Amino acid sequence: TQLLEQSPQFLSIQEGENLTVYCNSSSVFSSLQWYRQEPGEGPVLLVTVVTGGEVKKLKRLTFQFGDARKDSSLHITAAQPGDTGLYLCAGAEYRLTGNQFYFGTGTSLTVIP
Amino acid sequence: EAQVTQNPRYLITVTGKKLTVTCSQNMNHEYMSWYRQDPGLGLRQIYYSMNVEVTDKGDVPEGYKVSRKEKRNFPLILESPSPNQTSLYFCASSQFTYSSYNEQFFGPGTRLTVL
Repeated sequence: TQLLEQSPQFLSIQEGENLTVYCNSSSVFSSLQWYRQEPGEGPVLLVTVVTGGEVKKLKRLTFQFGDARKDSSLHITAAQPGDTGLYLCAGAEYRLTGNQFYFGTGTSLTVIP
Repeated sequence: EAQVTQNPRYLITVTGKKLTVTCSQNMNHEYMSWYRQDPGLGLRQIYYSMNVEVTDKGDVPEGYKVSRKEKRNFPLILESPSPNQTSLYFCASSQFTYSSYNEQFFGPGTRLTVL
């Protein structure tokens, strides 16, 4: 079983603050994805990173894939209440029968107005 | 509307009573997958399928069966449910099996309670 550890598990911050969520593993993945999940719904993809060292920006969100393709981070600038949700990272492992996905345990973010 | 549908959304059953959770996608996606989500454990992949008649085990396949007889459908079967299978289940699909940029589209979830 491959483990993706996310930290912190819970995060409560004031509107306007910055934050970083980490996703770490001892395994190398062919790609890493970040999803956001709201209560009562399925996860929704935010971004996919593939290349070691890759940085992607999505408005106020910045995603980074580690050089060794084992870890990733999500940085949110000037958090807003709409950013509240469960953030999940997921690593893809290539197999002949298709990609197997391993999800992190999640970071529950609450942004207080 | 492009979507992944699951039925039922909520199910309470008793130990040992066979059940099936259906999953259907209308996007002609190759890849489909089942996950369970438990507090503190995140999402764990149960089974996945790269196309019709091709399925493989994920991280936690014990106690579950799947089939992929049609491209659009991927039912999850619990032959003899046990209380430790009480969980929130998600079906997901993506367009291609091998693309690194595969976006998985998730269904709304099925909350299963086994008494």
